[in-house]
Amino acid sequence: DVKVTQSSRYLVKRTGEKVFLECVQDMDHENMFWYRQDPGLGLRLIYFSYDVKMKEKGDIPEGYSVSREKKERFSLILESASTNQTSMYLCASSLPGLAGGPDNEQFFGPGTRLTVL
Amino acid sequence: QQPVQSPQAVILREGEDAVINCSSSKALYSVHWYRQKHGEAPVFLMILLKGGEQKGHEKISASFNEKKQQSSLYLTASQLSYSGTYFCGTVDSSNDYKLSFGAGTTVTVRA
Repeated sequence: DVKVTQSSRYLVKRTGEKVFLECVQDMDHENMFWYRQDPGLGLRLIYFSYDVKMKEKGDIPEGYSVSREKKERFSLILESASTNQTSMYLCASSLPGLAGGPDNEQFFGPGTRLTVL
Repeated sequence: QQPVQSPQAVILREGEDAVINCSSSKALYSVHWYRQKHGEAPVFLMILLKGGEQKGHEKISASFNEKKQQSSLYLTASQLSYSGTYFCGTVDSSNDYKLSFGAGTTVTVRA
């Protein structure tokens, strides 16, 4: 059974803290993604990675960075958390190729609900 | 640019049908549909490619009209298990072939 896991289901942090969200997949997928999900806005892409040590900006990268040192692990970093980063964060992975290509079904993790106070 | 989904929400009784639409202002390469049940991760339903290919999943099918830059998801004879939020994701050449998701359509099926 394929699996994408995220380190925490719920996280509460204070403004200005550095926050790490971890994602691990066991499907040997090359592609990994970080989205944030907000009511009325759907899923918005923050960053994605096609390979180890490679990263590409998504639609809303401001205030975030990522790290991919190993194929199975993709980390999202909030350098200095702010209240407007309170959200649900979803990680996903897929087979190699174009991110939205015909064979690239994305497998999602359960999400981390981050609250920044 | 995010596609536009309609309606925002729909309430059905078991056995009823519904259509969810997904529209884009861009020429589309493909359309992807996902369903997210409350408190769970989004789950892939299907991909539709240029050429108007129609694919199905259980009693859920979809169509893709390239000329109208639009896709529709058809929930036929709905079951309680169909409840959830449905997202379309579109791919066009202007977004480097990344998926752009719509805001979602919340479907509630009641007994």
